[in-house]
Amino acid sequence: DVKVTQSSRYLVKRTGEKVFLECVQDMDHENMFWYRQDPGLGLRLIYFSYDVKMKEKGDIPEGYSVSREKKERFSLILESASTNQTSMYLCASSLGYRESGYTFGSGTRLTVV
Amino acid sequence: GESVGLHLPTLSVQEGDNSIINCAYSNSASDYFIWYKQESGKGPQFIIDIRSNMDKRQGQRVTVLLNKTVKHLSLQIAATQPGDSAVYFCAEKMGGLTFGKGTHLIIQP
Repeated sequence: DVKVTQSSRYLVKRTGEKVFLECVQDMDHENMFWYRQDPGLGLRLIYFSYDVKMKEKGDIPEGYSVSREKKERFSLILESASTNQTSMYLCASSLGYRESGYTFGSGTRLTVV
Repeated sequence: GESVGLHLPTLSVQEGDNSIINCAYSNSASDYFIWYKQESGKGPQFIIDIRSNMDKRQGQRVTVLLNKTVKHLSLQIAATQPGDSAVYFCAEKMGGLTFGKGTHLIIQP
């Protein structure tokens, strides 16, 4: 069974902290994605990666960075957490071909206080 | 169906009835479409997909209909069960995936 694993289900961090959200997939997928999900706003793409050491900005990259040092791992970094980054964060992965859907992790609910 | 705004559209159906969830997509060049189900506290799960060269595809208790003329996608769930209660998202693929805002399906006993 394919798996996308996010390291934490719930996190509480303080304003100004540096926060790392980790995502690992075991499907040898080329593509990995980070989304945030907020009520009424749906899924918004933060960053994505099509290959190791490669990253592309999504729709809302401000305040975030990412790292992909290995194919199976894609990390989202909040350089200095702020309360408006309180959200559900979802990682996803997919194969590189055209008709490939995304497999999502269970999400990390981050609260910044 | 899907819409922009602060509140998710809600569809309330009786247990055992059929549910139809609608979605209007934006890009006429999109060539692949997916429906996802998201239960409370979980990530979205793939339900069914359809290519743009098809207008109907059936799965187990679910059917997706695609009308490219009006850029409309629907998900039909037969004999709705309590476990079907979730938020349902459509997604269109043109390069990357673009997601709709979701519809909350509520099952009445």
